[in-house]
Amino acid sequence: GAGVSQSPSNKVTEKGKDVELRCDPISGHTALYWYRQSLGQGLEFLIYFQGNSAPDKSGLPSDRFSAERTGGSVSTLTIQRTQQEDSAVYLCASSSDRRNTEAFFGQGTRLTVV
Amino acid sequence: DAKTTQPTSMDCAEGRAANLPCNHSTISGNEYVYWYRQIHSQGPQYIIHGLKNNETNEMASLIITEDRKSSTLILPHATLRDTAVYYCIVRPPNDYKLSFGAGTTVTVRA
Repeated sequence: GAGVSQSPSNKVTEKGKDVELRCDPISGHTALYWYRQSLGQGLEFLIYFQGNSAPDKSGLPSDRFSAERTGGSVSTLTIQRTQQEDSAVYLCASSSDRRNTEAFFGQGTRLTVV
Repeated sequence: DAKTTQPTSMDCAEGRAANLPCNHSTISGNEYVYWYRQIHSQGPQYIIHGLKNNETNEMASLIITEDRKSSTLILPHATLRDTAVYYCIVRPPNDYKLSFGAGTTVTVRA
């Protein structure tokens, strides 16, 4: 594909429900990131995958958040028992090498918890 | 523990050069300076990065002072489409994370 693709672009969910957000990185990119951006705020790092290495989960805000990356390509970010404070734009990025000189971001998924 | 300091906002006239300052007085010798921008409702976009030398690409130029404590991103001929939040980021070479601060909101006016 031409760039990082995220789906859905918008998601409205009821408080307490689980949601899954998907990221398709650029083909061949070994590094994949998830960030979160709350309204009017900066970007908050969530999790990082690099090849077959153990992911860096240090940014996940609670155990309700988890992510996986299957086959070193597509990634899914799962939020269980959503809360209103989870409302934000969730951004995925990928990079071509371990040096990660340039990260390419997707358009994001806007999550609204009502 | 902010590593960079940027003005909150700045205006620029269309067609003129936009000079965006960034202070990073605590930068270490092996840390790079990166610039990204985020246009409204889009994901961040990489612009340029450098270590010591000035850098130029098709989007912008990066001027880093000799003591490396500050830098300036130059958009040579600003257009309305350059209106965005611009982030200056200091990053060690072996650190994959990008730590985004508040950035500078740049508004290009006709």
